[in-house]
Amino acid sequence: EAQVTQNPRYLITVTGKKLTVTCSQNMNHEYMSWYRQDPGLGLRQIYYSMNVEVTDKGDVPEGYKVSRKEKRNFPLILESPSPNQTSLYFCASTPSAVGAASPYSGANVLTFGAGSRLTVL
Amino acid sequence: EDQVTQSPEALRLQEGESSSLNCSYTVSGLRGLFWYRQDPGKGPEFLFTLYSAGEEKEKERLKATLTKKESFLHITAPKPEDSATYLCAGGTTDSWGKLQFGAGTQVVVTP
Repeated sequence: EAQVTQNPRYLITVTGKKLTVTCSQNMNHEYMSWYRQDPGLGLRQIYYSMNVEVTDKGDVPEGYKVSRKEKRNFPLILESPSPNQTSLYFCASTPSAVGAASPYSGANVLTFGAGSRLTVL
Repeated sequence: EDQVTQSPEALRLQEGESSSLNCSYTVSGLRGLFWYRQDPGKGPEFLFTLYSAGEEKEKERLKATLTKKESFLHITAPKPEDSATYLCAGGTTDSWGKLQFGAGTQVVVTP
């Protein structure tokens, strides 16, 4: 089944304890992205990757790191988590960068993972 | 600053009571306006992409339209299974990778 898989789905941690949220897709997609979702603020983009070894900041990158060493994986790293990073996180992928492909191709459809709920105490 | 604003924040409908959701955007160089549906505890699921003013797309009881400044998602004769949060997002030509989401409209349809 074509999907984006995130782990862990739920995590409670303490301030300063490094953690990694993994994201893997089995669709050979070039583009992957991380979002956080907070009540009243909607989905905000953290980082995105156009392809292997190519990453760029979204709107809220502070306190996060990413890497894209393989096409299928795009982990989100919180080096020193703080309570303001308590949120619901989503990973998503699409065959190519949103808007780059023909309007009549399926390339602009973002496939999201099921989400990772992170609580930092 | 690029911005996508959705209204209303929440909408409660009786089954069969049609209504519309609004998505206004100030995204410079808009390259696609997207609608997604999100059920509780799940990731968003794609509904529509609109590229140019005047474009319309339909899927079952949902119809999305686009003008130069806003998009509407019309829900015709909704059913309880249409209850969800509906998100819109704008992609820009400034950065192919960036996508600006609105905060969403939570729709509840009661029998």
